[in-house]
Amino acid sequence: RKEVEQDPGPFNVPEGATVAFNCTYSNSASQSFFWYRQDCRKEPKLLMSVYSSGNEDGRFTAQLNRASQYISLLIRDSKLSDSATYLCVVTSVSGGSYIPTFGRGTSLIVHP
Amino acid sequence: EPEVTQTPSHQVTQMGQEVILRCVPISNHLYFYWYRQILGQKVEFLVSFYNNEISEKSEIFDDQFSVERPDGSNFTLKIRSTKLEDSAMYFCASSGERSHYEQYFGPGTRLTVT
Repeated sequence: RKEVEQDPGPFNVPEGATVAFNCTYSNSASQSFFWYRQDCRKEPKLLMSVYSSGNEDGRFTAQLNRASQYISLLIRDSKLSDSATYLCVVTSVSGGSYIPTFGRGTSLIVHP
Repeated sequence: EPEVTQTPSHQVTQMGQEVILRCVPISNHLYFYWYRQILGQKVEFLVSFYNNEISEKSEIFDDQFSVERPDGSNFTLKIRSTKLEDSAMYFCASSGERSHYEQYFGPGTRLTVT
């Protein structure tokens, strides 16, 4: 069964900490990878795409390891406003169609 | 900043009734999607839509569901004969490319089936 797996957490960290999340996927034919954040009872919001070469956006760094089939998200200098659930999204090919699959999310709580 | 909008924000319906959830995607986007999220569970893909037809659909999207783009701006999800287990948050999303590019989500419609 094709799945996207995430540690549900919660990760409870102080402000200023660095925190890393991993996500594993089972379908080796997966094409595209993303991190979204979702606040409680709100819609998912795109945080960043994940490229094979890795990419950085301010305090956020995403990495992709195709050989091991995992992606990661690193958040440096955590802010209170980073508290949310972080969703790993993998788009795979199934019968010629592209199907996005979401992980269950990893909960982050940043405390003062 | 352009955004996806959805109406209503909350819909309560009785089991067996039909509901229509409405979405206005970002105006220059070409691909449209519906997802659902049962409370406490993960976001699940239902269907994608391009050029006035369904391009992909999941196992969840059975004959009970249908989608339509009735005019140049709206994108609707119809659920016929709702069941209790249809209670969930339904999100619409749009993107400018195929689904493996970035999608922008609307705020969702919370559907409660009683």
